[in-house]
Amino acid sequence: GEDVEQSLFLSVREGDSSVINCTYTDSSSTYLYWYKQEPGAGLQLLTYIFSNMDMKQDQRLTVLLNKKDKHLSLRIADTQTGDSAIYFCAETDTGGFKTIFGAGTRLFVKA
Amino acid sequence: NAGVMQNPRHLVRRRGQEARLRCSPMKGHSHVYWYRQLPEEGLKFMVYLQKENIIDESGMPKERFSAEFPKEGPSILRIQQVVRGDSAAYFCASSPNGQGAPYEQYFGPGTRLTVT
Repeated sequence: GEDVEQSLFLSVREGDSSVINCTYTDSSSTYLYWYKQEPGAGLQLLTYIFSNMDMKQDQRLTVLLNKKDKHLSLRIADTQTGDSAIYFCAETDTGGFKTIFGAGTRLFVKA
Repeated sequence: NAGVMQNPRHLVRRRGQEARLRCSPMKGHSHVYWYRQLPEEGLKFMVYLQKENIIDESGMPKERFSAEFPKEGPSILRIQQVVRGDSAAYFCASSPNGQGAPYEQYFGPGTRLTVT
């Protein structure tokens, strides 16, 4: 079945760039997403990318997609302490409604 | 425009009791999704509903769990005879449409169920 994998932890210094990586198995994925979850809260959609795109940039966020390797990354420029959260990579299946989530990467930002 | 609302935010039940979790989608959204998040894990899809219809329940346990989204009122996720393993955060999401592109799911704050 479909699977999405992420590294569990990432620690960076304030002001540095953060890169969170994700791999997925479903070659027919249509959309790939990055969500942010702060403690005790629900998930907030940060950005998404269509499977026919290689890159998408939105302010401090850059998403790179390597479809051949089924690898997705999220780069956060000038990381701030407020960026500390869990970041989930997700993809939709061929039907377009069932979202498969990774286990999340916990980002720690040190001041 | 209020976001997705879930209540209660925290629910404590003893083993064997029933748990009812409610989700009110965003205004104008007719598609609801329920996910379960176990501690230290990602979200797992449970069920997808439209008004009065269950579209996909492939992620929901066959026994003790049921979901509905009536014509009027919130979507309900019901867990009968709860066990300790049901302790988790249950998230609801809504979207204006289901299939088709692009779409986004807007998540509620979740209900944290603790079974003692």
